[in-house]
Amino acid sequence: GAGVSQSPRYKVAKRGQDVALRCDPISGHVSLFWYQQALGQGPEFLTYFQNEAQLDKSGLPSDRFFAERPEGSVSTLKIQRTQQEDSAVYLCASSSPSLTSGRETQYFGPGTRLLVL
Amino acid sequence: GDSVTQMEGPVTLSEEAFLTINCTYTATGYPSLFWYVQYPGEGLQLLLKATKADDKGSNKGFEATYRKETTSFHLEKGSVQVSDSAVYFCALSRQSGSNYKLTFGKGTLLTVNP
Repeated sequence: GAGVSQSPRYKVAKRGQDVALRCDPISGHVSLFWYQQALGQGPEFLTYFQNEAQLDKSGLPSDRFFAERPEGSVSTLKIQRTQQEDSAVYLCASSSPSLTSGRETQYFGPGTRLLVL
Repeated sequence: GDSVTQMEGPVTLSEEAFLTINCTYTATGYPSLFWYVQYPGEGLQLLLKATKADDKGSNKGFEATYRKETTSFHLEKGSVQVSDSAVYFCALSRQSGSNYKLTFGKGTLLTVNP
């Protein structure tokens, strides 16, 4: 089936604006992750959902960052009052727990490149 | 906390050369280990993985062996092609509750010249 999709692919925001980034996971995938990838760096974990429950938000850098997945499928990452240091690629990944081992392979979307001016 | 260290790039090779990208990790317990690849203009793709010690992951001519004694997962390919030019990320996943979040290295840029 279709892979993970994200929109928009590119977003330019003025400092102080609010932005919303959307992720459509692979159909039926229980787990959904958000990562932030700064230029020249590896992705860093932001938050994790299992169905609609946000079980881990330890990676969110500030209270300006908020994520939701109200129906257990599509997820939105919202950044309020954007700052220049928020400029990065935001990656969404989904996975489905292995019935045998519980270990999961995460499938990534193409990312949303956010530039805050 | 968990961490992944991979060799810094960029790495530049000629076509058909042998490739090694070193990766070592720090984690408690028994993580799963991954190599992801990011081609220019594209998203992250899983290249290969290994879920327990001494497992060898392989795909598209690339291989990596999970070495618990040296906490390493080095990526190798016997003969690289121009099309292998990309950024390669080593990563680990360790269970924390029901969360298997990935911890990534900083990435290694590989350029293969004809």
